Amino acid sequence: AQSVAQPEDQVNVAEGNPLTVKCTYSVSGNPYLFWYVQYPNRGLQFLLKYITGDNLVKGSYGFEAEFNKSQTSFHLKKPSALVSDSALYFCAVRRGGGNNRKLIWGLGTSLAVNP
Amino acid sequence: DGGITQSPKYLFRKEGQNVTLSCEQNLNHDAMYWYRQDPGQGLRLIYYSQIVNDFQKGDIAEGYSVSREKKESFPLTVTSAQKNPTAFYLCASSIGSRVDQPQHFGDGTRLSIL
Repeated sequence: AQSVAQPEDQVNVAEGNPLTVKCTYSVSGNPYLFWYVQYPNRGLQFLLKYITGDNLVKGSYGFEAEFNKSQTSFHLKKPSALVSDSALYFCAVRRGGGNNRKLIWGLGTSLAVNP
Repeated sequence: DGGITQSPKYLFRKEGQNVTLSCEQNLNHDAMYWYRQDPGQGLRLIYYSQIVNDFQKGDIAEGYSVSREKKESFPLTVTSAQKNPTAFYLCASSIGSRVDQPQHFGDGTRLSIL
């Protein structure tokens, strides 16, 4: 069965420090992986995706993510956290190939960046 | 600017009442989706539509209905059969022909019971 796990409900980091939000997945075939961010009472905003190619993907607002096929992971990273990065982060996966547009969503990780 | 508009932002339902949530997009996307978000449960798919006049049930369709008469519009009706409708509802859309493209989201409707 396809699934996405975000093992940490909450991540706390000091402003200026690097941050990592973890995501692991289980899917048959090649995965299409996505990260989204959600601010309070707002919709989700797309940050970045991995489809194929370079394992290090760069996205919006200075975020990047590293695809690791052997560990089935797609961790979100940022070298220097900002207070404004505090939000809820979602990882999602779609099985590559075919016509399947449904996404499998993680439960979200709440990131708190402390000044 | 292109985007997805959900209305109203807040909605209250009385017992036994059906309510309809609006979702309109001007992105020219073929595919549209409705999600329900509850605290700690992530996003759960209610219905999705890949083309006008066609839609499929998602994981939690019971107590909900949709229509897709126009490409731009995908309204969701929360019926009286949905016994626990209090949640944040999100509408999304994506380019129909490209499965590697992200979904774009509206800013949601928060539904509460009176």
